Amino acid sequence: GDSVTQMEGPVTLSEEAFLTINCTYTATGYPSLFWYVQYPGEGLQLLLKATKADDKGSNKGFEATYRKETTSFHLEKGSVQVSDSAVYFCALSDKGAQKLVFGQGTRLTINP
Amino acid sequence: DAGVIQSPRHEVTEMGQEVTLRCKPISGHNSLFWYRQTMMRGLELLIYFNNNVPIDDSGMPEDRFSAKMPNASFSTLKIQPSEPRDSAVYFCASSPSGTGEQPQHFGDGTRLSIL
Repeated sequence: GDSVTQMEGPVTLSEEAFLTINCTYTATGYPSLFWYVQYPGEGLQLLLKATKADDKGSNKGFEATYRKETTSFHLEKGSVQVSDSAVYFCALSDKGAQKLVFGQGTRLTINP
Repeated sequence: DAGVIQSPRHEVTEMGQEVTLRCKPISGHNSLFWYRQTMMRGLELLIYFNNNVPIDDSGMPEDRFSAKMPNASFSTLKIQPSEPRDSAVYFCASSPSGTGEQPQHFGDGTRLSIL
C-alpha cells in the first residue's frame, strides 16, 4: 500500500539556520503530495502542496519539489525563525482517492 | 471564513461512559474525515464520508466506535463504552470532493481523556 517516510525527529536548529526535512513516498500511481504543519494545541494546517512531477510548492518561505525519479518531497527553508517551531507532516493522496496517507511527523524546535 | 468547528475542545470522563464528539465541516465541502492522534500511533484515519455517506471505516478500532453524518453540516463520533486506551486527540477535517488534489482542512481537535 501507499506509505510516507519522514526524517526522524526531533530536529533542533538555531534561528536563521537552513532547514531540510526529508520525505520519501511509495505509491502505485501519481499522487498529490502535501506538507502540513501543526502548532501546539492546534489542528494540522496545509503548508504547501504539489500535484504533479517537478511541481514546486511554496509558502511562507518553505519550498518542496515533487521528484518522481527519487519519489521524494523534501521540505526546505533558507532561514528559519523561532515561530517555525512546530510538528511537520508529509502526506500523499492518490488521484481519485481522498484519503491522506501521513508520515509520522517531524518535531522542529528553533532556538533564538 | 469559518473553518472546521469541533466540540468540545476538551473532554474528561470516566471509563464506561458514552462520549460524543461533534464536527461542523466547512460549508460546501463534501468530504469529511475523522482522525485520532496519539504519541504511540501518530495520526490515524478512522473513517471518512463523501456526500454524507461513509466510504471507508476500516480505521475504526472496534464496535465501540461509531460515526454518523446526518446532513452536510454535522457529524458525530461516538464511543460507547469508553476505555482509557481511547484517550487521544480526535480531529475532524473536511475537503471539497474531487480527485485527491484538494487539501483537507482540520479543526482544532478534541482532547479526550478517559480516566
